[in-house]
Amino acid sequence: QSVLTQPPSVSGAPGQRVTVSCTGSSSNIGAGYDVHWYQQLPGTAPKLLIYGNTNRPSGVPDRFFGSKSGTSASLAISGLQAEDEADYYCQSYDSTLSGSVFGGGTKLTVL
Amino acid sequence: QVQLVQSGAEVKKPGASVKVSCKTSGYTLTGYYMHWVRQAPGQGLEWMGWINPNNGGTNSAQKFQGRVTMTWDTSISTAYMELSRLRSDDTAVYYCARLQSGSYSDYWGQGTLVTVSS
Repeated sequence: QSVLTQPPSVSGAPGQRVTVSCTGSSSNIGAGYDVHWYQQLPGTAPKLLIYGNTNRPSGVPDRFFGSKSGTSASLAISGLQAEDEADYYCQSYDSTLSGSVFGGGTKLTVL
Repeated sequence: QVQLVQSGAEVKKPGASVKVSCKTSGYTLTGYYMHWVRQAPGQGLEWMGWINPNNGGTNSAQKFQGRVTMTWDTSISTAYMELSRLRSDDTAVYYCARLQSGSYSDYWGQGTLVTVSS
């Protein structure tokens, strides 16, 4: 049971827009701690996708958009491409656990 | 460029210990904390802990406290994670990841598969 809750899977057709949610609580996201997102392609290490809720590292397309509100955060992916098929994880800090926490991960399928 | 290169796969028996190394290059090890994260087969990411190479300070997830030791060797720019009293459910890929701004991981090692089996 992950501290941050994500849907196990989402799917969309090429060109469509999908959203991945990440729900936390008052001890993590709701306490104001930043949310970060990672993309993990099959058999590879995670890659930083969004940091500080909304920021994209250099090289990440602007099709990826992060947002945060209250105790939740979201990752939106527009103009879906086949190469976006991967697992996506959110991460934040939890003051009760005094450490970093990850969501359970969401598998994106491009139909 | 920044690189984190981890040691190779390990097979261990239950009750043994494993030590995974993470050699860094392209930046000063002492300038950044290092995260350790693991991923069991078919499962999600699990934070294990971090080390501050500046002073050796560490913080680990409660479930690993007493079993995990994180260290570093500045002279060879290498961080280490040792996990003791291994169980079969410790079978996982273990990652080191540089912690940026004390918050997120901007560079990751390639991962080290640790298999615990009798």
